[in-house]
Amino acid sequence: NAGVTQTPKFQVLKTGQSMTLQCAQDMNHEYMSWYRQDPGMGLRLIHYSVGAGITDQGEVPNGYNVSRSTTEDFPLRLLSAAPSQTSVYFCASSYVGALNNEQFFGPGTRLTVL
Amino acid sequence: TQLLEQSPQFLSIQEGENLTVYCNSSSVFSSLQWYRQEPGEGPVLLVTVVTGGEVKKLKRLTFQFGDARKDSSLHITAAQPGDTGLYLCAGYSGNTGKLIFGQGTTLQVKP
Repeated sequence: NAGVTQTPKFQVLKTGQSMTLQCAQDMNHEYMSWYRQDPGMGLRLIHYSVGAGITDQGEVPNGYNVSRSTTEDFPLRLLSAAPSQTSVYFCASSYVGALNNEQFFGPGTRLTVL
Repeated sequence: TQLLEQSPQFLSIQEGENLTVYCNSSSVFSSLQWYRQEPGEGPVLLVTVVTGGEVKKLKRLTFQFGDARKDSSLHITAAQPGDTGLYLCAGYSGNTGKLIFGQGTTLQVKP
């Protein structure tokens, strides 16, 4: 199993450009989520999904869109990038049902917005 | 909104010393988790504590869940350079399944 994969690993954008961060998992996990990590702020939840066709907002959703058309994939879209979105982005997945499930994280995407 | 406060945010110690990291909240959590993150990688789960007062040991690491299920601690005995990394506590928010993280504690263990 590849686990959770993310592409690209690095990306540089100019202000106003759009892009999609890709996330895929091969563990048949129902739950998938996106976090951003900034120095001194831990991981902050952007959006999450409890299954195909179902998404919801996390702590910091503004400026980001998501969709979940399949169990495996959960892309994160930046419609008009801003310098404040410079961060490291992590995708995670887990089973649902118990409130103690282990989250499996991808290796991250380091995004710089100029 | 449930918040998790970790302290200290940064810790630099010598090999062989002991240390404790704290994770506190004003809210009750059904469980708390501790993750460890290496540079350039995603966090990896160390342990989950579920029952108030629960203590779990993982080699030189001891994890405790507070009796009221609002706080947790991570104690490392005789720290080694290989323990260097970012330690994150996390708790599930209500019944939504959302996992909320603390700010993290960066640990540096010098040889």
